[in-house]
Amino acid sequence: KAGVTQTPRYLIKTRGQQVTLSCSPISGHRSVSWYQQTPGQGLQFLFEYFSETQRNKGNFPGRFSGRQFSNSRSEMNVSTLELGDSALYLCASSLVLNNEQFFGPGTRLTVL
Amino acid sequence: SQQGEEDPQALSIQEGENATMNCSYKTSINNLQWYRQNSGRGLVHLILIRSNEREKHSGRLRVTLDTSKKSSSLLITASRAADTASYFCATGTQGGSEKLVFGKGTKLTVNP
Repeated sequence: KAGVTQTPRYLIKTRGQQVTLSCSPISGHRSVSWYQQTPGQGLQFLFEYFSETQRNKGNFPGRFSGRQFSNSRSEMNVSTLELGDSALYLCASSLVLNNEQFFGPGTRLTVL
Repeated sequence: SQQGEEDPQALSIQEGENATMNCSYKTSINNLQWYRQNSGRGLVHLILIRSNEREKHSGRLRVTLDTSKKSSSLLITASRAADTASYFCATGTQGGSEKLVFGKGTKLTVNP
C-alpha cells in the first residue's frame, strides 16, 4: 500500500497570503490528523477529521482550518500568513482508533 | 501544550552501546507511543504500549510503562549509526479521538 502523501513538499509564501496543503491518507484509513512542528514549540496538534467531520481541534487561531473529503483526503488552509506560521506541517492517518498513526513526509512552509 | 517530556534532550553514544530515553507525562492516557524522526522528515512509528501493559519488545527496542509514575522508557540495544535520529514519545488520551500529545524529543547521535 502507498503511504501517506502530502503535497506540496515545500512552499514559500509571503506574509498576508494564504496557503492550502493537501494530504492523502493510506487507502482505507478514515482518520486524518494534522500537526505543526516548529523548533520552539515542537509538535502541536492542529485538528483531526474522521468521515468528513472534525472530531478534535487543537489550540490554534481561526486562521487555521481544514476539511476532509468523502475519499478521506484532507486539506488544511492557513489564511493571512504570519512569519510564525513557518513550520513543518505533518499529516497522519490511522485505521483503528487509539492505534498507531502513519505520518506523511510533511510540507515545509516558509513565510517571508 | 506538551504532555510528554523526554529526558535527556540529547544523547551521544558509540555504536554497539545501549541508549535509554525517558518520557514523563501528566494526565491519564489510553496508550503511549514512540516515534522516530530523521532530519526533519516525517515520523516513523516504533512501538505502542497500552495503559494496561507494563513492557513491550520489538526487535532491538524495549519499552516500559509505569502508569503510577506517569513515565515510560525506550531502550535501544546494540545501537547502530542508522539509529541516529530524534525520538518522541506521544500520548493518546482516553476518548474518541486520535489526538496525540508529543514531547519535545530526545536527539540521539550514534557515533560509528
